[in-house]
Amino acid sequence: AQSVSQHNHHVILSEAASLELGCNYSYGGTVNLFWYVQYPGQHLQLLLKYFSGDPLVKGIKGFEAEFIKSKFSFNLRKPSVQWSDTAEYFCAVDTGGFKTIFGAGTRLFVKA
Amino acid sequence: NAGVTQTPKFRVLKTGQSMTLLCAQDMNHEYMYWYRQDPGMGLRLIHYSVGEGTTAKGEVPDGYNVSRLKKQNFLLGLESAAPSQTSVYFCASSSIQGSFYEQYFGPGTRLTVT
Repeated sequence: AQSVSQHNHHVILSEAASLELGCNYSYGGTVNLFWYVQYPGQHLQLLLKYFSGDPLVKGIKGFEAEFIKSKFSFNLRKPSVQWSDTAEYFCAVDTGGFKTIFGAGTRLFVKA
Repeated sequence: NAGVTQTPKFRVLKTGQSMTLLCAQDMNHEYMYWYRQDPGMGLRLIHYSVGEGTTAKGEVPDGYNVSRLKKQNFLLGLESAAPSQTSVYFCASSSIQGSFYEQYFGPGTRLTVT
C-alpha cells in the first residue's frame, strides 16, 4: 500500500538552528509532493509543492525541499529557524486519482 | 474571499446521536474533501467529491455519509456517533484549473463523542 513516512514525530530546536525534516514515500509512479504546515490553532496551509522540473523547490518563509527520486524522499529544510516556525509539518504525496496521502506529521518546537 | 469555512468549530455528542458538519467554499472549486486528523496518524480521507451531485469513498468512509447538493457546499453526516469518531475534521477544496492537486483547508471542527 502507498504510504508516507515522516521520520521524526517531535523535533525541538533552538532559534537559529538548521532544520531538516525527513519524508519518504512508497509509490513507484509519478507523484506530486507537498509540505503543509499547521500553526497552533490554525488550519493547514501549503508551504511548498513539487510537480516537475527543478527538484529543489522553494516555499514560503524561507523553507525549501529537495525531491530525490532515487530515494523516494522529499525532505524539508530551513537554514535558520525562528520561534514563529513552531508548528506541525505534514508531508503529502499525490499519486493521482484524488489520492493524497499525508504523513503522520512532525511537531516542531523552536525555543526562543 | 472567506476561502473554506466549516460549521461548527466545536461539538460534543453522546454516543448514538447524529450531526452534520457543513463545509462551504467560495473559490468555485470543483473538488471537495473531508478528512479526519488523529494524533500520530496525519490526515485520512473520509469522502470526496469531484463535482455537484457526486461523492466517493476515501480511505476511512465507514460511519459517515456525505452530500454535495451545491457546488460550494459539502456536508459530512454522522448518523450514529461513536467514541471512535472523536477527532478533528477538516474540509478541503481544490480546483481543476492550475495547481490541480493543491488543496485549501478549512479551520477544522473538533468533535468529541462521549
